[in-house]
Amino acid sequence: QQQVKQSPQSLIVQKGGISIINCAYENTAFDYFPWYQQFPGKGPALLIAIRPDVSEKKEGRFTISFNKSAKQFSLHIMDSQPGDSATYFCAAGGNQAGTALIFGKGTTLSVSS
Amino acid sequence: GAVVSQHPSRVICKSGTSVKIECRSLDFQATTMFWYRQFPKQSLMLMATSNEGSKATYEQGVEKDKFLINHASLTLSTLTVTSAHPEDSSFYICSASGWNYGYTFGSGTRLTVV
Repeated sequence: QQQVKQSPQSLIVQKGGISIINCAYENTAFDYFPWYQQFPGKGPALLIAIRPDVSEKKEGRFTISFNKSAKQFSLHIMDSQPGDSATYFCAAGGNQAGTALIFGKGTTLSVSS
Repeated sequence: GAVVSQHPSRVICKSGTSVKIECRSLDFQATTMFWYRQFPKQSLMLMATSNEGSKATYEQGVEKDKFLINHASLTLSTLTVTSAHPEDSSFYICSASGWNYGYTFGSGTRLTVV
């Protein structure tokens, strides 16, 4: 499988702080980059996604920054809350039907109150 | 929005028996179904990709005779773990994709083999 490298593995942020998670991909054919949030025992839930025709996308407190030339993208969580404590996965996929999402290894975020 | 229903959510089976996991797309036609496996504190690893009416394509290292995938209709795909062993205990998640729909994940199945 084509790799998607994610860092850091774990992250501790104080309430109200900014959480930043980074990902890098190899396959330039990827053109869909989602972030998923997963709570223990649950399936992953789509948080926000971006396509390479834009460099940034913001939805509420969540922002994706995308750098096509560097093949990197990141998730910023503004005003982090204890309820944001979860595991976050970046992923990359293709536009064509039948192309699977390839996931990063995940980042466990803990937001301390 | 698109919904994928996955059942059962939890199953415990004896070693050597088979277990079937179902994923149904409730409000769209899933032309492609992806099956993932997730071990504790690890990422989702793609096991196989199946297109409706075709044989599944398995990722390297995944035994196709052990993990039987059926995708006979545009709304239903099943994963059968045959002759399950304790090392097959994991969280199995399906993801459905259809025309004009991205990737919709099921809620996962926790399989415990005792």
